[in-house]
Amino acid sequence: SVLTQPPSVSGAPGQRVTISCTGSSSNIGANYDVHWYQQLPGTAPKLLIYGNNNRPSGVPDRFSGSKSGTSASLAITGLQAEDEADYYCQSYDSSLTVLFGGGTKLTVL
Amino acid sequence: EVQLVESGGGLVQPGGSLRLSCAASGFTFSGYSMNWVRQAPGKGLEWVSYISGGSGTIHYADPVKGRFTISRDIAKNSLYLQMNNLRAEDTAVYYCARLGYCIPGSCPADYWGQGTLVTVSS
Repeated sequence: SVLTQPPSVSGAPGQRVTISCTGSSSNIGANYDVHWYQQLPGTAPKLLIYGNNNRPSGVPDRFSGSKSGTSASLAITGLQAEDEADYYCQSYDSSLTVLFGGGTKLTVL
Repeated sequence: EVQLVESGGGLVQPGGSLRLSCAASGFTFSGYSMNWVRQAPGKGLEWVSYISGGSGTIHYADPVKGRFTISRDIAKNSLYLQMNNLRAEDTAVYYCARLGYCIPGSCPADYWGQGTLVTVSS
């Protein structure tokens, strides 16, 4: 994938974890927005963060996003068992092609 | 309530064709751009195609360009993906997704269907 994510991260309940999404000057670094999706096992993806750091209604404020330079990050605080899922970042390139990261599997220990 | 329901998936031989449908409800269909996104078994998400609300702008990912055609029928509140010359690597769950919270150059998928499985195999 053009956007690079760690394959896996883990944390204990209550802890804080971050998931990185690294791009380049052709996508994230070209000032394109980053969105984040959560995919629970066996379900469709769900929008978690849009426009780098905005939460859709209904998404807990335990989830937050940030972007700097050619990278973005998703932070989850107060980790809960129900947060165990795959997380994907998404951005664009200069032709407005939609780019997804390879996904990160979050394990709650 | 926004609902997107895909159908039309199934088993098809290499070189064959399939037409996926996505029935939309709970919102003004013509007012939203739509994407098709696929996910191969055990793999990540891959964008397939985009269509604007009025069908005036269409984009395809390189792997499907020339083989897939996206379209929409406003009267039927439906999105389609015509897939021709299918290959084994097209095997995936195909999701339709509505694009919301849009600003110029940035349109996340705010609602997704449950997906339909396409298997290309002899």
